[in-house]
Amino acid sequence: AQSVTQPDIHITVSEGASLELRCNYSYGATPYLFWYVQSPGQGLQLLLKYFSGDTLVQGIKGFEAEFKRSQSSFNLRKPSVHWSDAAEYFCAVVETSYDKVIFGPGTSLSVIP
Amino acid sequence: ETGVTQSPTHLIKTRGQQVTLRCSSQSGHNTVSWYQQALGQGPQFIFQYYREEENGRGNFPPRFSGLQFPNYSSELNVNALELDDSALYLCASSSAAEAFFGQGTRLTVV
Repeated sequence: AQSVTQPDIHITVSEGASLELRCNYSYGATPYLFWYVQSPGQGLQLLLKYFSGDTLVQGIKGFEAEFKRSQSSFNLRKPSVHWSDAAEYFCAVVETSYDKVIFGPGTSLSVIP
Repeated sequence: ETGVTQSPTHLIKTRGQQVTLRCSSQSGHNTVSWYQQALGQGPQFIFQYYREEENGRGNFPPRFSGLQFPNYSSELNVNALELDDSALYLCASSSAAEAFFGQGTRLTVV
């Protein structure tokens, strides 16, 4: 069965520091991969997506992610974190047979001034 | 803004009652999915509608049901509410494997 794991439940970084959030997936075919961000009490905002092609994808708010098929990973990175990046981050894979989104458990990011 | 709107934004219901949540999908999208997000967890797939027909269902009991209308808007109905149904309910309309989410409806069952 398809699944997504995010090994880090909670991460704290200092403002201006770099960030990497880990994501591993289990999926039989070529995956469609996504990162979403959710601020408290809000809906989900798409940060970036990978369908095919270049394995390094750029997203909004300065985020990027790299797809590594050999490691079944799709880690999210940002070179310099801002206080406004504090939120919950969800990695997801789409089961393309009917556009069902399978989410990981999420990583909560705190940013220290 | 994704163009997906949900109503109401918040509501409180009593255990055993029934509730209907509504979603207007993004223009041109004929596929709508519903997700339940319990506090501190990732969203879980409830079901999906494609052109007014249920097109897939997650591990939710039959008291969770839905409808999709000719204009592709959708409803999620939950009967016999339980305390564990308290959650954020998210609607997503999709096209070409990309889902666009609404802001959600926060349901509290007391």
